[in-house]
Amino acid sequence: GAVVSQHPSRVICKSGTSVKIECRSLDFQATTMFWYRQFPKKSLMLMATSNEGSKATYEQGVEKDKFLINHASLTLSTLTVTSAHPEDSSFYICSARLGTSDYEQYFGPGTRLTVT
Amino acid sequence: GQNIDQPTEMTATEGAIVQINCTYQTSGFNGLFWYQQHAGEAPTFLSYNVLDGLEEKGRFSSFLSRSKGYSYLLLKELQMKDSASYLCAPIDSNYQLIWGAGTKLIIKP
Repeated sequence: GAVVSQHPSRVICKSGTSVKIECRSLDFQATTMFWYRQFPKKSLMLMATSNEGSKATYEQGVEKDKFLINHASLTLSTLTVTSAHPEDSSFYICSARLGTSDYEQYFGPGTRLTVT
Repeated sequence: GQNIDQPTEMTATEGAIVQINCTYQTSGFNGLFWYQQHAGEAPTFLSYNVLDGLEEKGRFSSFLSRSKGYSYLLLKELQMKDSASYLCAPIDSNYQLIWGAGTKLIIKP
């Protein structure tokens, strides 16, 4: 159980365009979802935490207007990278948490974004 | 501040045993996770410790000492597929996982 999917797994886009990444919890309702980015050989960097029906909480240094997060339901959160630039190229990973007393995070397979 | 300290890289031989150490400093503590991450893939759950002591799960065991801010992951009967990064992630007072850079484990035949 506790499967999280992400779509797309890979995306290549041109500089200046926007890209939407979907994160779905397939067999459970996720009260909280997290968005991370990871550069090669670096640690996971938490970008934002989102709770269903409320605004996402962004980490310091993460631009809210650039990385739009929508947690529309208990099974779906989306990350939109607006006006993408080559420096936004990275591995984006979402995770989901069952409830406030279950701290384990179930990770999606990740999305490799390349901006040309 | 919050800090995770793990060796950057370790090498071990197939069939052997390896121990990956982790020391941490967090604002509050609500347990500690170990995750495995293969290159280009997302992390997968290995273990969770909230009380002091050893948790054994098949070939993998994880130990925690809260007073020392210390944990280790023990991998036995190493297999080539165990080559991956191992991430130690304590949970702080806000119930957030704090991620370090992980330890890259290289298994040699």
